[in-house]
Amino acid sequence: AQSVTQPDIHITVSEGASLELRCNYSYGATPYLFWYVQSPGQGLQLLLKYFSGDTLVQGIKGFEAEFKRSQSSFNLRKPSVHWSDAAEYFCAVGAGGTYKYIFGTGTRLKVLA
Amino acid sequence: DTAVSQTPKYLVTQMGNDKSIKCEQNLGHDTMYWYKQDSKKFLKIMFSYNNKELIINETVPNRFSPKSPDKAHLNLHINSLELGDSAVYFCASSKRPGLAGTDTQYFGPGTRLTVL
Repeated sequence: AQSVTQPDIHITVSEGASLELRCNYSYGATPYLFWYVQSPGQGLQLLLKYFSGDTLVQGIKGFEAEFKRSQSSFNLRKPSVHWSDAAEYFCAVGAGGTYKYIFGTGTRLKVLA
Repeated sequence: DTAVSQTPKYLVTQMGNDKSIKCEQNLGHDTMYWYKQDSKKFLKIMFSYNNKELIINETVPNRFSPKSPDKAHLNLHINSLELGDSAVYFCASSKRPGLAGTDTQYFGPGTRLTVL
């Protein structure tokens, strides 16, 4: 069965520091992978997605993610974090043969001024 | 213009009551979804409709009944509310019911349901 693991429940970084949020997936074929961000009291907003092709995907708000098949990972990165990036980040995989997304449990990002 | 909207934003009610949450999308999408996010932020699909036809029906109590009067609206009715129903419910839509989640889903702002 497909699954998504986000090993870090909380991450704290200083403003201006680089960021990497980890996501590991379990899926037998080529996965469809997504990163969403949920700001406090808000719905989920799509940051980026990977379907095929270039394994380094650029998204909105200066985020990027790299698909590594050998490591079953799709980690999210940002070179310099802004205070407004504080939010909950969710990784998701498209569940093959169905219409469903499988979401990870999220990583809460705190940004120190 | 709000792409996916939900009403109400907050809902506080007593155990045993019946309540509804409404969702509307103005994106022209064919497919809509309901998700439940629990207190640990775990997000799980409940239902999905494609052009008014039910295509995903996860294992949820039959006290939950989705209704899609047209493809721009998907409502969630909950009978006999229980304490465990307290959660944030998100509506989402996508252009098509893309297999393997190929179509991007756009989420509403959520409805926080509190059952006392």
